[in-house]
Amino acid sequence: AQSVTQLDSHVSVSEGTPVLLRCNYSSSYSPSLFWYVQHPNKGLQLLLKYTSAATLVKGINGFEAEFKKSETSFHLTKPSAHMSDAAEYFCVVSDWATDSWGKLQFGAGTQVVVTP
Amino acid sequence: EAQVTQNPRYLITVTGKKLTVTCSQNMNHEYMSWYRQDPGLGLRQIYYSMNVEVTDKGDVPEGYKVSRKEKRNFPLILESPSPNQTSLYFCASSTTGTGEGYTFGSGTRLTVV
Repeated sequence: AQSVTQLDSHVSVSEGTPVLLRCNYSSSYSPSLFWYVQHPNKGLQLLLKYTSAATLVKGINGFEAEFKKSETSFHLTKPSAHMSDAAEYFCVVSDWATDSWGKLQFGAGTQVVVTP
Repeated sequence: EAQVTQNPRYLITVTGKKLTVTCSQNMNHEYMSWYRQDPGLGLRQIYYSMNVEVTDKGDVPEGYKVSRKEKRNFPLILESPSPNQTSLYFCASSTTGTGEGYTFGSGTRLTVV
């Protein structure tokens, strides 16, 4: 069975400083991994995805994530936070090779606050 | 424009009064799914459908029904809503169901009093 653990429920950063959101996953086979962002009162937007190609994945708005199979991690980073990055972020796993075919397993979310 | 359309966006209803949340996609996707979002729990899958007339339960199906009579539509039905179904609901569709290419609707915020 697949599962996702986001290690921080809240992260507070100052504008211009790096952002790190941590995610660990559990999956039976080679998973697809995603990061989604949800701004207040908005829907879900895909930031980036890993699907067994390059382990360092670049996404939109300067975000990137590194897939580390040995650590079962998929942490999201950004070198310099912007006020517009304040949102909730979800780490998501999809394991097409199991009976969870098609299901996105979401982490509990990390709320990011950016202070001036 | 390729999109998933949910209606209504906001709904307040009373316990026991049947309601339907509609979901429609214009991308000819075979795979459709419903999720509910609750604070601290992320999104959890309610039901999914791999094609017309093919539906199956997700992680939290109790109290919900779905149907897939046409490829583009996947309504969520609450026969007798209860306060614990107060939540934010998202419909999603995908070409393959493998997680890639998911498109989410804008969400329906449901309050059951």
